[in-house]
This record gives sequence, C-alpha cells and structure tokens, in this order.
Amino acid sequence: NAGVTQTPKFQVLKTGQSMTLQCAQDMNHEYMSWYRQDPGMGLRLIHYSVGAGITDQGEVPNGYNVSRSTTEDFPLRLLSAAPSQTSVYFCASSYRGTNYGYTFGSGTRLTVV
Amino acid sequence: AQTVTQSQPEMSVQEAETVTLSCTYDTSESDYYLFWYKQPPSRQMILVIRQEAYKQQNATENRFSVNFQKAAKSFSLKISDSQLGDAAMYFCAYIPGNTPLVFGKGTRLSVIA
Repeated sequence: NAGVTQTPKFQVLKTGQSMTLQCAQDMNHEYMSWYRQDPGMGLRLIHYSVGAGITDQGEVPNGYNVSRSTTEDFPLRLLSAAPSQTSVYFCASSYRGTNYGYTFGSGTRLTVV
Repeated sequence: AQTVTQSQPEMSVQEAETVTLSCTYDTSESDYYLFWYKQPPSRQMILVIRQEAYKQQNATENRFSVNFQKAAKSFSLKISDSQLGDAAMYFCAYIPGNTPLVFGKGTRLSVIA
C-alpha cells in the first residue's frame, strides 16, 4: 500500500540510550518532515528535507539528527534520549510541499524513562 | 515567527447540528496554502480540507466547508450535520511559502448523541 511507513509504533528507552525512528515513503515525494506531538502543543517541526541530500532544522531540533540519502527514507536519530523527548513522533511527506498537503505516517509513541 | 492560533481548545456539538472551529494565522507571504487535519483516537492524521490563498472561493468537501477571510487571516472550519465519527482533534495548518506545515495547537471536538 502506498503511503508513509513509520517504525516502530511504540518504543520505551532508558535515559541516555540512542535510537533511530524509521520513516519510508513510496510516493516519490520530495518533501519529508518530522514532527513531535505533545499534549496542548499541537505538532511541532523537528527537521525537514526538500530532497535527497538536503535537510534543515525546524522549531525543536535539539537532541535530534536526520539525514536523507535517498528520496524514500528519512530516519530520525535520538542521540542521547531524555525524558523531555517522551512524545508521539510523526513523519510526513509531500509532493513539493505545497497545495497537495502532506501525507502522515501512523506515528511512533516514544517513552523515555 | 509564523504562527497559527486555534482559540478554542475544546468544543462540543449535538449530533446533526452544525459547529464552527476557529483558526487565525500570521504570515507575511502573499501566496500560501491552508489545511484542516482531523486526528481521531487512532492518532492518524487525516486531511479534511484545503484552501489555496489566491482562490477567493471557499473550499467545500461534503459536510465540511471553510470560511476563508484572507484580509483578516482567518480560516474557520464548519462541520454540518455533525456525526459521532466527527469526534476528534482538529488541527488548522498552513504552508507559508516553501516550508513545511505549521500547525495550531488543536481543538478537541466532542459530538453528543
């Protein structure tokens, strides 16, 4: 099925551990983004990419790294997990990011203890 | 900073009635795109309706319509004939220029049978 695939759906980490949230899309979308959703805060942009090899920071980039080596994949790396990174993470993609809107993955619920 | 404001954290509506969710935004761009997303308890982000700022005609998708007031930077969502399945979080969002979606904090809509 075409769409945005995020893995894992749930994850528990210990403080200080690192991990990578995976995101893949098969729609040949150029634009991909990572958001985090916290209660009462809406969705806040972490990092985004407008094409392979191009990434940029969003509103809340600290503690996260991204890379975009292919059009299909846009992994999000947590370098040293902190309890403040407990959140629901969404990956989204779009064809050139304009009037087509974004297609979202199903999200990853991450808990850092 | 470019922002989206949803002034109603929670709303409720009787089944079969009409409800309007408010949204204002702040941008210096002249051309942009506006969206309403629905997030049911499954947490999937679902695109409800979109509006292109250069189009004066308000967008409509079945029971969902918008009231777009460009000068006032207002983009409200009207849901007619509300159904139990409309209960969800609703997020207003826009794309300012060539950047990813900027979201409001959301409005939680309850539908009363």
